[in-house]
Amino acid sequence: DGGITQSPKYLFRKEGQNVTLSCEQNLNHDAMYWYRQDPGQGLRLIYYSQIVNDFQKGDIAEGYSVSREKKESFPLTVTSAQKNPTAFYLCASSILTSGGPTDTQYFGPGTRLTVL
Amino acid sequence: QKEVEQNSGPLSVPEGAIASLNCTYSDRGSQSFFWYRQYSGKSPELIMSIYSNGDKEDGRFTAQLNKASQYVSLLIRDSQPSDSATYLCAVNMVGDSNYQLIWGAGTKLIIKP
Repeated sequence: DGGITQSPKYLFRKEGQNVTLSCEQNLNHDAMYWYRQDPGQGLRLIYYSQIVNDFQKGDIAEGYSVSREKKESFPLTVTSAQKNPTAFYLCASSILTSGGPTDTQYFGPGTRLTVL
Repeated sequence: QKEVEQNSGPLSVPEGAIASLNCTYSDRGSQSFFWYRQYSGKSPELIMSIYSNGDKEDGRFTAQLNKASQYVSLLIRDSQPSDSATYLCAVNMVGDSNYQLIWGAGTKLIIKP
């Protein structure tokens, strides 16, 4: 089955801890994304990557870091610098096209992070 | 400020009726528009994409795009209780990377049996 997996499903963090959220896809997509969703708000882009070993900051990158060492994997680290990390985190991927309309983004099941 | 606006709802519709969901966006010239459905506690799943003015139909769903008035709509015919969810509108804005979407906060739809 092709798809996007995220783990863990639920994550609890103590103040001052860094935590890493996993995202893996076997769709052979080049582009991958991390979003944050808070109640009553739209999805906000944290980071995105179009190619291995390259990534760009989204609108709310402060307090987060990513890596893209493999095409299939795009882990997100929530650092202690992120002051309000409690949220639903969504990973997505899409094919890569140059020019033309934006391609569909497909989502993983999400990770719900809670700060204790 | 790039914005995508949706009425938060809830929008309550009787089973079997037509549900109409609306979305307006700030940037004239935007090219790509998406409707996603999100069940409570789950991730968004694509309902439909639309790129040209007019209507696009897929089963019980019809997306309508009017670039001159800067709105995109989603119609759901013969609404079913399983259609109860939050519907998210997403737009690729002019000047943004081809991969960046601006998301509305969503409209909560309730289908009453």
